[in-house]
Amino acid sequence: ELKVEQNPLFLSMQEGKNYTIYCNYSTTSDRLYWYRQDPGKSLESLFVLLSNGAVKQEGRLMASLDTKARLSTLHITAAVHDLSATYFCAVLTSGTYKYIFGTGTRLKVLA
Amino acid sequence: GAGVSQTPSNKVTEKGKYVELRCDPISGHTALYWYRQSLGQGPEFLIYFQGTGAADDSGLPNDRFFAVRPEGSVSTLKIQRTERGDSAVYLCASSLTGARGAGQETQYFGPGTRLLVL
Repeated sequence: ELKVEQNPLFLSMQEGKNYTIYCNYSTTSDRLYWYRQDPGKSLESLFVLLSNGAVKQEGRLMASLDTKARLSTLHITAAVHDLSATYFCAVLTSGTYKYIFGTGTRLKVLA
Repeated sequence: GAGVSQTPSNKVTEKGKYVELRCDPISGHTALYWYRQSLGQGPEFLIYFQGTGAADDSGLPNDRFFAVRPEGSVSTLKIQRTERGDSAVYLCASSLTGARGAGQETQYFGPGTRLLVL
């Protein structure tokens, strides 16, 4: 069965710093998604990556996908406190409509 | 416009009881998903509807769980003989098209129903 692993699971960083969250998945998939979840809230879609080499950017967040390495990264540039949240990646299992989510990365940006 | 809504927001029930959770998707969205999220975990896929039919129900944990979407909009997740292990937040999401839907597959999540089985 497809497994999706994120690391780190917890990340505490200073404002203004850069960091990368990694999402590895275990079997073939051509679609990967990133979501944000604030405490006690539901999930908000950030990025949809549909092909190998896809790169998308929104503000201080940039996501990329390498389907050959089965790896996606979410890069944070010059972090600000408002980015504190839990970030999930999700992969669509090939041949199905089943989305598998990672365990999430809890990000805390310190002022 | 209106987003995905779910009712009730919280549900407390006793072990062995039957519960129904409701999801109102965004108007015009043909795809609807149910997920279950336990504390500190990512959402766990339960079932996917395309229109009125369940296109993938492989995530339903056992036959106590059942979901319907009779008119292709509102969906109800039904849990029979609830167990304490069913306690979780149940999330519903909708998208304009289903998975692999040529870029219109972004899922919009509802606020969830927090189910507690005592």
